[in-house]
Amino acid sequence: ETGVTQSPTHLIKTRGQQVTLRCSSQSGHNTVSWYQQALGQGPQFIFQYYREEENGRGNFPPRFSGLQFPNYSSELNVNALELDDSALYLCASSSGTSGRRNTGELFFGEGSRLTVL
Amino acid sequence: QQQVKQSPQSLIVQKGGISIINCAYENTAFDYFPWYQQFPGKGPALLIAIRPDVSEKKEGRFTISFNKSAKQFSLHIMDSQPGDSATYFCAASSGSGYSTLTFGKGTMLLVSP
Repeated sequence: ETGVTQSPTHLIKTRGQQVTLRCSSQSGHNTVSWYQQALGQGPQFIFQYYREEENGRGNFPPRFSGLQFPNYSSELNVNALELDDSALYLCASSSGTSGRRNTGELFFGEGSRLTVL
Repeated sequence: QQQVKQSPQSLIVQKGGISIINCAYENTAFDYFPWYQQFPGKGPALLIAIRPDVSEKKEGRFTISFNKSAKQFSLHIMDSQPGDSATYFCAASSGSGYSTLTFGKGTMLLVSP
């Protein structure tokens, strides 16, 4: 059983550029969530995908968008990068069913560290 | 608005001592309270979790105490070891149709040898 894997592990971009981060969920998990963790802070929820549809969104602007694919892997896209977007981006997978109680047991990857200059 | 407040920000404990980290929440809809452990360069890993129908849960050296009326919960690490040195996050979620976690700001624990 493989865990959550993310790529790339590190990347550097400049303001105004666009970035795509990728995540493969843990085997058997159909739900993927993305979190942003600024330095010295706790992770903040960006959005969640269940069966290829956005199933919840935190307080992030529309330039943060995502996709989930039929194999449950996911992408996070950020357009028009700003300096404050510099953070560790964490992907988490879980097994959930829309409309039903979710245990909240999220399994995190090691993250993609984005630096915006 | 910070919905989960965590303290202390940092903690130094001697080997063999007890580490205690506290969290308080505001949203009464929260019904799942996990603790995550994060080592430098790694993602958070689930350590232990509790639901409000019990006041305490113990797994090995780790214990969660939960006070529903005070809307507080805490993590106790007994016999703390240098390998426990990490950042600990409390979190909370509600049993709605999707699961999202609201995290505290974290506590950096250092266990001195």
